[in-house]
Amino acid sequence: DADVTQTPRNRITKTGKRIMLECSQTKGHDRMYWYRQDPGLGLRLIYYSFDVKDINKGEISDGYSVSRQAQAKFSLSLESAIPNQTALYFCATGLAGVETQYFGPGTRLLVL
Amino acid sequence: KQEVTQIPAALSVPEGENLVLNCSFTDSAIYNLQWFRQDPGKGLTSLLLIQSSQREQTSGRLNASLDKSSGRSTLYIAASQPGDSATYLCAVVGNEKLTFGTGTRLTIIP
Repeated sequence: DADVTQTPRNRITKTGKRIMLECSQTKGHDRMYWYRQDPGLGLRLIYYSFDVKDINKGEISDGYSVSRQAQAKFSLSLESAIPNQTALYFCATGLAGVETQYFGPGTRLLVL
Repeated sequence: KQEVTQIPAALSVPEGENLVLNCSFTDSAIYNLQWFRQDPGKGLTSLLLIQSSQREQTSGRLNASLDKSSGRSTLYIAASQPGDSATYLCAVVGNEKLTFGTGTRLTIIP
């Protein structure tokens, strides 16, 4: 089984809809991250969490919210989706004191 | 604000050739630098991590170098193979967060 899983893998939604992307990990890592990837812009950090009670905004948090339900689960919500939120979304995990991050397979989101 | 640039955006080379991918960054106060590989429809896989105090790291046919003073890193791939075709991303770590470059899409021509 994959260490970092994301659901759904693909999602099509309409403008104004609320959607949630979910991330689960079995690595036992305390840190979790949400990124979006757009062509020509690389990966940009949306939100990150260093433990269950710690949530921090990243570079592009406007229009998004997150919830760290447990150490292993970190969900990303789009309260009212808009077309420019069409992107590939990645969840990642990390361990304090260890610099690398481990990425999920991504969720491809299309907002019509 | 840290900015990371990778040029070229795309590169095609014949199988068997050695090649170099480039990464530059604007703020030399980095903790480390990582190279990732991204395959279509899949997540990112970490290839090499270079600590700020190191000059290079090697793994198999891959060698990554780091020159903090000039804000540059290179990823050298020896004897390229079709399976090396992917997008390669560099990322710098500062304040416990990664800043990614836009990537180089590499195609190895059989």
